[in-house]
Amino acid sequence: IAGITQAPTSQILAAGRRMTLRCTQDMRHNAMYWYRQDLGLGLRLIHYSNTAGTTGKGEVPDGYSVSRANTDDFPLTLASAVPSQTSVYFCASSPTSGGDGEQFFGPGTRLTVL
Amino acid sequence: GENVEQHPSTLSVQEGDSAVIKCTYSDSASNYFPWYKQELGKRPQLIIDIRSNVGEKKDQRIAVTLNKTAKHFSLHITETQPEDSAVYFCAASPYNTDKLIFGTGTRLQVFP
Repeated sequence: IAGITQAPTSQILAAGRRMTLRCTQDMRHNAMYWYRQDLGLGLRLIHYSNTAGTTGKGEVPDGYSVSRANTDDFPLTLASAVPSQTSVYFCASSPTSGGDGEQFFGPGTRLTVL
Repeated sequence: GENVEQHPSTLSVQEGDSAVIKCTYSDSASNYFPWYKQELGKRPQLIIDIRSNVGEKKDQRIAVTLNKTAKHFSLHITETQPEDSAVYFCAASPYNTDKLIFGTGTRLQVFP
């Protein structure tokens, strides 16, 4: 049982390039989330999905897009990366939609945009 | 929208002492307040949570208290051990928003 996985583990990207961060869970959780973690700013929600086929915007959605074609996968796309998107990105899932249940985090992706 | 403030940003204690981390929230409709622990280089993991219909919850050496009137909640760790050293995040979930808003974190160091 893998739980929740993310790929890649780390990536260095040139500004202006397109990048997709992958997130997959095998726990059949309804809700999935993408956060970015920056020093001194904690975890900030980028986008979320309560169930397959639906997505919503978090606190810092600009420059990012997501899709939820099925229950297991929730990819995050940076259409044209900028240096301010350098961060550690965490995907999370929860059996409970609504934000009021335990969230299980993936191992994170460290992204550097030059 | 909801805003969660967390203090202190860093906390150093001697092994065996208690540690207290405090958070305030702005949205009185928030009804779920979890605490996550993140060890160095690892992912955040839930350690305890409390809902708005409860004032206090304990789990062995950790406890969380909630004051809905003042809109603040606190994490209490007793008999601290070196393995408690980590970054701790509080969070709040405003009612009917599908979101969890995190505080900025507290780096706890427990010295032997």
